[in-house]
Amino acid sequence: QQQVKQSPQSLIVQKGGISIINCAYENTAFDYFPWYQQFPGKGPALLIAIRPDVSEKKEGRFTISFNKSAKQFSLHIMDSQPGDSATYFCAASPVLTDSWGKLQFGAGTQVVVTP
Amino acid sequence: GAGVSQSPSNKVTEKGKDVELRCDPISGHTALYWYRQSLGQGLEFLIYFQGNSAPDKSGLPSDRFSAERTGGSVSTLTIQRTQQEDSAVYLCASSLDSRVIQETQYFGPGTRLLVL
Repeated sequence: QQQVKQSPQSLIVQKGGISIINCAYENTAFDYFPWYQQFPGKGPALLIAIRPDVSEKKEGRFTISFNKSAKQFSLHIMDSQPGDSATYFCAASPVLTDSWGKLQFGAGTQVVVTP
Repeated sequence: GAGVSQSPSNKVTEKGKDVELRCDPISGHTALYWYRQSLGQGLEFLIYFQGNSAPDKSGLPSDRFSAERTGGSVSTLTIQRTQQEDSAVYLCASSLDSRVIQETQYFGPGTRLLVL
């Protein structure tokens, strides 16, 4: 079963608009929440990540918002550009010693930015 | 090499045959991970190695799947008696150390497996 639920499955946004992708989790042991970007034919690449001790992290046009009590986190892509067209995956990793590297991924969101 | 490499990039096989998928991690990375990505799905964790040992094999779908890593470097994922449902992209990633929670996992381009 999917431990991280991601929505929407796909979204289309105009150039300059804001893309918002949401993720939710149940496992309170999760302690690390990265977002990955994947272009067709390529492996995923880390975009930005957050720990639960902060509620927001911003890197350039990409922002993660984190709500620990609701067990939800989201990615905002500001001023979306055609080059941002890709599939985005949220993920979570537990704090348990033997499972720190075991990322649980959401199902992915395909983002298309129209010119 | 500069990044994680995987071979072959594409593999077509017949149902019932065995396949071996290879992963070369980034030099110096002690942790190595295998994931499976089915069409339109997220990434499914299969197994990871810290050095040559595999602390967590819980993601392997069946006993037809096995993986090994020798010399703390190259890893091979073997699928015996392949089934059509094994068709997917198999992704490998590496990181400096799996015991550091914020260590970035760097992914290879994947091996696209098609079982006919």
